[in-house]
Amino acid sequence: GAGVSQSPRYKVAKRGQDVALRCDPISGHVSLFWYQQALGQGPEFLTYFQNEAQLDKSGLPSDRFFAERPEGSVSTLKIQRTQQEDSAVYLCASTSGADGELFFGEGSRLTVL
Amino acid sequence: GQNIDQPTEMTATEGAIVQINCTYQTSGFNGLFWYQQHAGEAPTFLSYNVLDGLEEKGRFSSFLSRSKGYSYLLLKELQMKDSASYLCAVRPAHTPLVFGKGTRLSVIA
Repeated sequence: GAGVSQSPRYKVAKRGQDVALRCDPISGHVSLFWYQQALGQGPEFLTYFQNEAQLDKSGLPSDRFFAERPEGSVSTLKIQRTQQEDSAVYLCASTSGADGELFFGEGSRLTVL
Repeated sequence: GQNIDQPTEMTATEGAIVQINCTYQTSGFNGLFWYQQHAGEAPTFLSYNVLDGLEEKGRFSSFLSRSKGYSYLLLKELQMKDSASYLCAVRPAHTPLVFGKGTRLSVIA
C-alpha cells in the first residue's frame, strides 16, 4: 500500500488477555520501528528491526512484550497477559534506511479493562 | 541518558506567528526532527535539521543550534488547521528517534 498500515485500529482487551498488533510497512522499507504513545505524551521507543533482524529491543517494558518480523516485511507486536498500564496507542513506523525520516501508521489503540 | 524538553501547551491567534522551542541533552547527535500530530492521527514529518541554522519550508521553519542543544519550530500565518501537537525528536548517533512529550498548540480566532 501507499502508507504504513496497522490493524486493528482499536482493541479492547480484558486484563490478562493476550493481544497481537499488526504492522504492514511501506513496500521496500528496510527499517521498522514500534513506539508506544500514552495519552498526552510523546511516542516512546519499543523496538526496531532491520529487515528480519531485531536490532534493538531495549524499549520493551517487560518480557510480556514480544515483536517479530519473520520475513522482513510485516511485523507483529504481541503483548501477553495484558495489564491496565499497557493501555496506549501503539505506533508502527518504517523508513527506507536506518537514518531517514519515519513514516508512521495511524496506530493501534489498546484499552485494557 | 536522553532528555528532550518542550512546552506542554501553547495558544496563538489565527494569522499570527508562533515559535515552539525544544532543548535536548542526548548521548550523541545525528539529527533533529519535527513532527505534527493531529488528535487521533499518525505523526507526520515536518522538518529535519542536522547542521546549525534555519531550514525553511513554506509557512514552517526550523532552527538548530547544536552547541546549545536547542531547536525551534516557527509557524507563520497560523491557520485553524495548525491546531495539533508538535513533536520534537532527536536521533542520538545511529539509534532510533527519541521523542519529546510534544507541545499541544491551540489556534484561536
